[in-house]
Amino acid sequence: DTGVSQDPRHKITKRGQNVTFRCDPISEHNRLYWYRQTLGQGPEFLTYFQNEAQLEKSRLLSDRFSAERPKGSFSTLEIQRTEQGDSAMYLCASSRGLVGGSYEQYFGPGTRLTVT
Amino acid sequence: SQQGEEDPQALSIQEGENATMNCSYKTSINNLQWYRQNSGRGLVHLILIRSNEREKHSGRLRVTLDTSKKSSSLLITASRAADTASYFCAPIEYGQNFVFGPGTRLSVLP
Repeated sequence: DTGVSQDPRHKITKRGQNVTFRCDPISEHNRLYWYRQTLGQGPEFLTYFQNEAQLEKSRLLSDRFSAERPKGSFSTLEIQRTEQGDSAMYLCASSRGLVGGSYEQYFGPGTRLTVT
Repeated sequence: SQQGEEDPQALSIQEGENATMNCSYKTSINNLQWYRQNSGRGLVHLILIRSNEREKHSGRLRVTLDTSKKSSSLLITASRAADTASYFCAPIEYGQNFVFGPGTRLSVLP
């Protein structure tokens, strides 16, 4: 068990470009979450997967954001046409869990996105 | 989903002192979790307390839960510089996802 890993750790991009982040969860965890965090704030929920099914998306998540989890393993989060307001830390977390249950989450180190 | 509100927003103490931070929430919960975030280790789960539990201990951490007052507290005893971090509570309704508040920023001074 090597924990949750995220790649890249840092990404600088120009406004209007597309970016994609990857998250590898703890192998036996069937749930995977994405959060966004800005300075001085707590993590803001974006979306989550139970195995390969995307079960919930935040209303705050615009249509420029899309996430996938093919085969229920790793996940990718893509942001299209980035805006300066997208600059933030993007956190991934995983947990075990049955649908409806609530378990402790294990977080990755995050990907820091800077949009110039 | 509901957000926990941590209080105080910031806390400074001397090494060796105890630190207490509080969390309030609005509706019934299945469990409540506390997390810590510092620059070195990212966001880490500290403790989970279920709605039918009143107190839980883990090392130097003590968490209480009062469901009648819809509040929880986290006590860190004999604080160390390494406890300097932001602390978040997450009140979890059954089947709902996490909503983190702004957290309590704890500074432990040597």
